[in-house]
Amino acid sequence: GAGVSQTPSNKVTEKGKYVELRCDPISGHTALYWYRQSLGQGPEFLIYFQGTGAADDSGLPNDRFFAVRPEGSVSTLKIQRTERGDSAVYLCASSLKGGGETQYFGPGTRLLVL
Amino acid sequence: QQQVKQSPQSLIVQKGGISIINCAYENTAFDYFPWYQQFPGKGPALLIAIRPDVSEKKEGRFTISFNKSAKQFSLHIMDSQPGDSATYFCAASLLSGTYKYIFGTGTRLKVLA
Repeated sequence: GAGVSQTPSNKVTEKGKYVELRCDPISGHTALYWYRQSLGQGPEFLIYFQGTGAADDSGLPNDRFFAVRPEGSVSTLKIQRTERGDSAVYLCASSLKGGGETQYFGPGTRLLVL
Repeated sequence: QQQVKQSPQSLIVQKGGISIINCAYENTAFDYFPWYQQFPGKGPALLIAIRPDVSEKKEGRFTISFNKSAKQFSLHIMDSQPGDSATYFCAASLLSGTYKYIFGTGTRLKVLA
């Protein structure tokens, strides 16, 4: 079956612009996670959704970052007033229920802020 | 206390050799330890995972060894192949929490043909 998909695969933007990154989880997976991976580092947790609600947003670095999952499936990560330091690969993962099942990762969106 | 420390940063192994990657954690509440494999331009993919009630888990050529008292766990890749060349990440999670993963910094493995 289809895995986690993320669009766009690459995004180049200018400092100060607004960007949206989209994640389509595996069908039927209620848990969805966003991670950020900087070059040469492991993924860092940003936010966790169980259904439509953000159960844990403790990893969001500041209030420029926001994520939604209005219908409990597709999620959008939104970054306002982008900064060069936001450049990274943004990974989305989903799992069946979130209760310790395997997290399946998408290929990521590579964001470059010029 | 939420960190997971991973070593080595990079590793070169001859084909057929054993690759060993080590991780250490501080939070004794962690109760799920997966290993992920990542190829360039791809997302991480689960390789093998262990819970702290067992000391070892083997799946094919991949084995996790877990030492609860030392708060350490390691990945062993037996009979390493050039196709195993990738970056490997250990992680730790709290199954009773939000299940977010705390990842190590990664090990770039190169297996020479």
